[in-house]
Parts: sequence; structure tokens; C-alpha cells
Amino acid sequence: EIVLTQSPGTLSLSPGERATLSCRASQSVSSSYLAWYQQKPGQAPRLLMYGASSRPTGIPDRFSGSGSGTDFTLTISRLEPEDFAVYYCQQYGSSPLTFGPGTKVDVK
Amino acid sequence: QVQLQESGPGLVKPSETLSLTCSVSGYSISGGYYWGWIRQPPGKGLEWFGSISHRGGTYYNPSLKSRVTISIDTSKNQFSLKLTSVTAADTAVYYCARGARIATHQGDFDYWGQGTLVAVSS
Repeated sequence: EIVLTQSPGTLSLSPGERATLSCRASQSVSSSYLAWYQQKPGQAPRLLMYGASSRPTGIPDRFSGSGSGTDFTLTISRLEPEDFAVYYCQQYGSSPLTFGPGTKVDVK
Repeated sequence: QVQLQESGPGLVKPSETLSLTCSVSGYSISGGYYWGWIRQPPGKGLEWFGSISHRGGTYYNPSLKSRVTISIDTSKNQFSLKLTSVTAADTAVYYCARGARIATHQGDFDYWGQGTLVAVSS
């Protein structure tokens, strides 16, 4: 099973600032099959990124993803008020599918 | 617009079986994608249970496999989850979701239900 570790646990930033979230895998994620989700309180997760760096339709371009192998990054170029949430990474390169523990982005 | 909706009891007694159904609208469940169940204990992270194809092929998380059964009813455009011998540790929000990759259970999830809280308590 691939274990995902996310850092930091909490990121305290102001609107307009840049957010950099990290997701590290215990072994290489094949074909960069890594996704990122955003979850707000009381809501289901929302797919933000797949294939490490591809945005689904409708996701703003201030969200970008990068990485390969065991190290992946989600960057939010300029935080908007609606971006304060918890972010999870998920690998789907091997079974079982696994999620990271999440990074909370809150208002400084 | 693809929509998923979980339904089932919000309270289950310890040692009993948790049963949930996910109703899909806006898309035929026979369309080639996999359909999955994911849970989230209160204040915690996400855990994948397993996924099922429209033909009934299943993949389960080994950590839960002995207690989990996922089934599909294409005539009703629904799929279901059964979890046996529940304990308080199974208290969670349960989500159903569509796997985003055609013909493989190994995928991200692009459409999610709103989630349903199931508490295990006597």
C-alpha cells in the first residue's frame, strides 16, 4: 500500500498570498497518477487536479500541480477567500487507492 | 449533470450490518466507469472502501475486504455498500463517487455524493 504524507498540516496565509502544498508518497506513484481534492466543511471533496498536473473543466488556473515519482506539489498562485479549505492528495497508480491526511489552509 | 445521492440508516447498532445505497442520476451507471465508496470519520481523512464496474467486477481495500460487499443494480441505476460487524470505529460520513477513469477502478473521483453520516451506537 502506498502511504501518502502531506505537509504542512496547517498553512496559515492571507488572501492574495501563494500557497504551496506538498504530498509525498512512500513509493513511486506510477504514471503520476496523483489527484488533489479540495474539501470545505460539510461538503464532499471536489476534484482539483488529476494526473498530477491536469485541471478538470471549471477549475481556475490559479491552481496548478506538479511533481512525479514520490514528490508532488499543489500550488495556489493567489489565494481567494473561497480557497480556504482542506486539501487532500490521492494516488491511483496502485491498489488500494489511498489518500493523504490533508493540509488545512486557513486565514492568517 | 451527473449527480449521486447516498441513502440509508443514520444509526446502526454495534455488530450489525451497515447498508447504504447510492442513486445515480444524469448518467447511466452502465457507461463504463467504476463506482466507489469512500468514508471519512469525523474530523479525519478519507478512506477508500472499494469500487465496482457496471458488470459487477469489484475491487476492495484489503484492510476492509473481509467485511465489505459492494453490489450494483443497473436497472435502478444504483450501487450499494454493505459493511458487516460494525463497531464505533465505523462511525463516519460515507460518500459514493464515480471513478474518473474508464474501464479501471484505479482512478480519481470526479463526481461525489453529498455524503451521509452513519453513527454506530447502541
